[in-house]
Amino acid sequence: QITLKESGPTLVRPTQTLTLTCTFSGFSLTTSGVGVGWIRQPPGKALEWLAYIYWNDDKRNSPSLKSRLTITKDTSKNQVVLTMINMDPADTATYYCGRLPYYSYHGMDVWGQGTTVTVSS
Amino acid sequence: DIVMTQSPLSLPVTPGEPASISCRSSQSLLHSDGNNRLDWYLQKSGQSPQLLIYLGSSRASGVPDRFSGSGSGTDFTLKISRVEAEDVGVYYCMQALQTPRTFGPGTKVDIK
Repeated sequence: QITLKESGPTLVRPTQTLTLTCTFSGFSLTTSGVGVGWIRQPPGKALEWLAYIYWNDDKRNSPSLKSRLTITKDTSKNQVVLTMINMDPADTATYYCGRLPYYSYHGMDVWGQGTTVTVSS
Repeated sequence: DIVMTQSPLSLPVTPGEPASISCRSSQSLLHSDGNNRLDWYLQKSGQSPQLLIYLGSSRASGVPDRFSGSGSGTDFTLKISRVEAEDVGVYYCMQALQTPRTFGPGTKVDIK
């Protein structure tokens, strides 16, 4: 069974750094073609793509957030970490991670439950 | 960035009847390998999105065959042959051709 679970703070102050961890099981990020992605959804709004990281450490980040976003993986822990600096109230959202079974060609086939992050002073 | 649009944005449906959602992209999503880089997701109320269709027309594992995807280039359609009550939610198309990936605004499907 493939599962992913997001974890991190629920409340972040403006200008602070957000660190979210996606812990997964049932697959390996050392398998050729496999990746993990992050998507977020502000309250009542549409989905927004953030970043992908693949088995070979190839990374894709949102250009509009690129200077603020870092995505890394720890294959020994089965974790992917998303770091976002200089948080703003506009970053308030539910953050999801998901598995990419074969690069991004076959979609994000399994998603985590999501974690809600509020940015407020 | 590739801009994705969907229509309609709201779709009241009758169980047992067919339903159709249109998705358009500002650039062709047809890759040189012959596949269209277009995914469809459904987000039910209070849940995470779930993958329905990838590469424009391939059903994801476990997705009922009443769901089908079609189209090529810039025009795509998601069809539900016979809507069931469990199909309500917000449907999103997403282009997977270029970075950044971009989603459509979503189509809210509910029961009449």
